[in-house]
Amino acid sequence: NAGVMQNPRHLVRRRGQEARLRCSPMKGHSHVYWYRQLPEEGLKFMVYLQKENIIDESGMPKERFSAEFPKEGPSILRIQQVVRGDSAAYFCASSPEVGTKETQYFGPGTRLLVL
Amino acid sequence: GQNIDQPTEMTATEGAIVQINCTYQTSGFNGLFWYQQHAGEAPTFLSYNVLDGLEEKGRFSSFLSRSKGYSYLLLKELQMKDSASYLCAVRDNYGQNFVFGPGTRLSVLP
Repeated sequence: NAGVMQNPRHLVRRRGQEARLRCSPMKGHSHVYWYRQLPEEGLKFMVYLQKENIIDESGMPKERFSAEFPKEGPSILRIQQVVRGDSAAYFCASSPEVGTKETQYFGPGTRLLVL
Repeated sequence: GQNIDQPTEMTATEGAIVQINCTYQTSGFNGLFWYQQHAGEAPTFLSYNVLDGLEEKGRFSSFLSRSKGYSYLLLKELQMKDSASYLCAVRDNYGQNFVFGPGTRLSVLP
């Protein structure tokens, strides 16, 4: 059973470009979470999605950031017109269902560097 | 509001025991999780508490007191490979959200 997959693992963008980060949850998992982590800091929640629905996007900036989890295919975190402050590690996590002892399982992360 | 506090850094000696504390104030509670994160890697699950008391798992144990909003992670027989950040997280509002603390960076010295 493959774990959570994220790609790319490293992404370099120039200011003003778009960044697309992909996350394939573990098989059988229908809940996806995106987090951002700056160097030497903790994980900051961004958005929680189920298939085709955004459940909670309270941690996501209102502008330039969007997320989706379509019926088919991976979840996508999209950052438009990137700025240097967007440089961070972006982790995706998945879980099978809420309300259980099941934890989240994290992907390896995408390290975004904005030049 | 949501607030989770942990010490920023701790240092301990190989073979020793260390306790990492976590206090939380969240609007809801449905479980407390501890994760280990090595530098440059993804967090990995260590333990889960939803009822008061101690959960033991090999060299690692985790304790929860819901009335005090308090948990600790206890690491015994420390090894060099235990040098990592330890993240405390609360699952809020019956699974809607995981709120993470800032993490405690543990250095194990020979």
